[in-house]
Amino acid sequence: AQSVTQLGSHVSVSEGALVLLRCNYSSSVPPYLFWYVQYPNQGLQLLLKYTSAATLVKGINGFEAEFKKSETSFHLTKPSAHMSDAAEYFCAVSGRGGRGSTLGRLYFGRGTQLTVWP
Amino acid sequence: SQTIHQWPATLVQPVGSPLSLECTVEGTSNPNLYWYRQAAGRGLQLLFYSVGIGQISSEVPQNLSASRPQDRQFILSSKKLLLSDSGFYLCASTSSYNSPLHFGNGTRLTVT
Repeated sequence: AQSVTQLGSHVSVSEGALVLLRCNYSSSVPPYLFWYVQYPNQGLQLLLKYTSAATLVKGINGFEAEFKKSETSFHLTKPSAHMSDAAEYFCAVSGRGGRGSTLGRLYFGRGTQLTVWP
Repeated sequence: SQTIHQWPATLVQPVGSPLSLECTVEGTSNPNLYWYRQAAGRGLQLLFYSVGIGQISSEVPQNLSASRPQDRQFILSSKKLLLSDSGFYLCASTSSYNSPLHFGNGTRLTVT
């Protein structure tokens, strides 16, 4: 079974500061890992995904995440926060099961609300 | 790329009334389709998923049902809404197990 824990439901940073959003996963099979961003009253947009290639994954809007198997973590970072980064961020894990009921099934964390102060 | 259309964007319904939310997908064929519900501070809860026409799996027992009458159409329904059905409903689609989900813009449902 797969699950995701996002540490911190709210994170606040100043504009220009480092953004670090934490995600730890549990998976009985090698995982696929994703970060999504959600702006108010909108659907989720993919930021980046890890699918067993490079452990450091670069995404859109300057975000990146590093897969650390030993720590079962997939933390999201951005060197310098921008006001437009204020949103809710979700980490998700998918098992590498075959076709059928597990195909594409994502397990989401509870989300982290990022606030960026001017 | 896939585009997910959901409507309506917002909906206010009285308790006991029926519900029908529709989702259609463009840009792919034979996708896996999903209905998620998002409640404040509780993340996303998977309600239903479908791997093909007429094939529906339910994740949790509830007052809702889903149907997939066509390959790229997914409908969420209820015969009688409860207050607890209020939330933000998201339809999602994926074409393969290592592809990310594509989400629609959601429907904000308020049951009064």
